Amino acid sequence: KAGVTQTPRYLIKTRGQQVTLSCSPISGHRSVSWYQQTPGQGLQFLFEYFSETQRNKGNFPGRFSGRQFSNSRSEMNVSTLELGDSALYLCASSGQGSDTQYFGPGTRLTVL
Amino acid sequence: EDQVTQSPEALRLQEGESSSLNCSYTVSGLRGLFWYRQDPGKGPEFLFTLYSAGEEKEKERLKATLTKKESFLHITAPKPEDSATYLCAVQAVSGTASKLTFGTGTRLQVTL
Repeated sequence: KAGVTQTPRYLIKTRGQQVTLSCSPISGHRSVSWYQQTPGQGLQFLFEYFSETQRNKGNFPGRFSGRQFSNSRSEMNVSTLELGDSALYLCASSGQGSDTQYFGPGTRLTVL
Repeated sequence: EDQVTQSPEALRLQEGESSSLNCSYTVSGLRGLFWYRQDPGKGPEFLFTLYSAGEEKEKERLKATLTKKESFLHITAPKPEDSATYLCAVQAVSGTASKLTFGTGTRLQVTL
């Protein structure tokens, strides 16, 4: 089975721009979670989607949003980028009846 | 609020020198405790899930154990390829929520 894939792998943006990141879960997985990883804060939960519905949300400002499509693929969007948004953004998927989350390789976002 | 503390922050071992990594946690109700391995520039790779105190899981040179307040990842006769950051995460009993709360990790270096 193919693993979780994320595109693009690297992005460079400037302050004030917006960005959209994409995640394709493992085939058959319907839950997709997003995390932000920075050297100072470690891995922090952004939000989780299941069957196109946001099921849980972390403590991030409204500039961070996401959605999930009927094929379980998910996107997250960050608007009005700030320097502090520079991070590795990780997507994870899990199958029905399983608590284990499998992570993708991440998208490295750099905000200049 | 769920909290996870990992120690030590960094650990340097010689090949064959066994040791243990610690993960202390505070959670309202534990649904599961997870161990991941992360190599530089990559997403976390799933290792183990533990659900109840007294549970143990093994995989090659790694063995994870769980008590009511902490988990240990024992590394027996490590090899240089075991060098990575080891992350511990907890998932709380909270309806259908899948949020993982991570510790900041233990950076392990195994030298010849």
